[in-house]
Amino acid sequence: AQKITQTQPGMFVQEKEAVTLDCTYDTSDPSYGLFWYKQPSSGEMIFLIYQGSYDQQNATEGRYSLNFQKARKSANLVISASQLGDSAMYFCAMREWGTYKYIFGTGTRLKVLA
Amino acid sequence: DGGITQSPKYLFRKEGQNVTLSCEQNLNHDAMYWYRQDPGQGLRLIYYSQIVNDFQKGDIAEGYSVSREKKESFPLTVTSAQKNPTAFYLCASSPTGDPYEQYFGPGTRLTVT
Repeated sequence: AQKITQTQPGMFVQEKEAVTLDCTYDTSDPSYGLFWYKQPSSGEMIFLIYQGSYDQQNATEGRYSLNFQKARKSANLVISASQLGDSAMYFCAMREWGTYKYIFGTGTRLKVLA
Repeated sequence: DGGITQSPKYLFRKEGQNVTLSCEQNLNHDAMYWYRQDPGQGLRLIYYSQIVNDFQKGDIAEGYSVSREKKESFPLTVTSAQKNPTAFYLCASSPTGDPYEQYFGPGTRLTVT
């Protein structure tokens, strides 16, 4: 069965430093996509980055990069040069291709310190 | 601008009353979803719909009902059978096909007393 695990309930990082948020997943399907979302205190979910299971290179979007290790089934989010506005909940999600069901992890609350 | 609207942002109801949460999208997406989020928790899927007039139960469908009469609209009714309805409800949509992320609405915070 599909499963997403985020083992870090909360993280602190100093402003301007990099931080890695962990995500491991479980699926028997070879075709899937992995997503990261940011949820500020306002509640809306903001899409950050996507990685496909067949992508050869790690995805990057500005200060966000995804450290994709397929054999270990991990898809960690790396935020470089943290900013105070990065303080939020971060969710990892997965969808197997051919289905319409997204599975979300329990999230990591990131606090950026000035 | 294209997007997803949910109304109202805050909703208060008395226990025993049914309440309907609105979700409208103008992104021309075929698939739509309803999630429930409890404080400090992740998102749990209530219902999803891949196409008009068709929908499937998610992981926590008991006490909820939906309809999909129009592509743009996917209202969620929280019935009196839902034991703990107080929560944050998020609606989302996505195109069909791969790969596509979900687009989320701003959410509705429902409080039942």
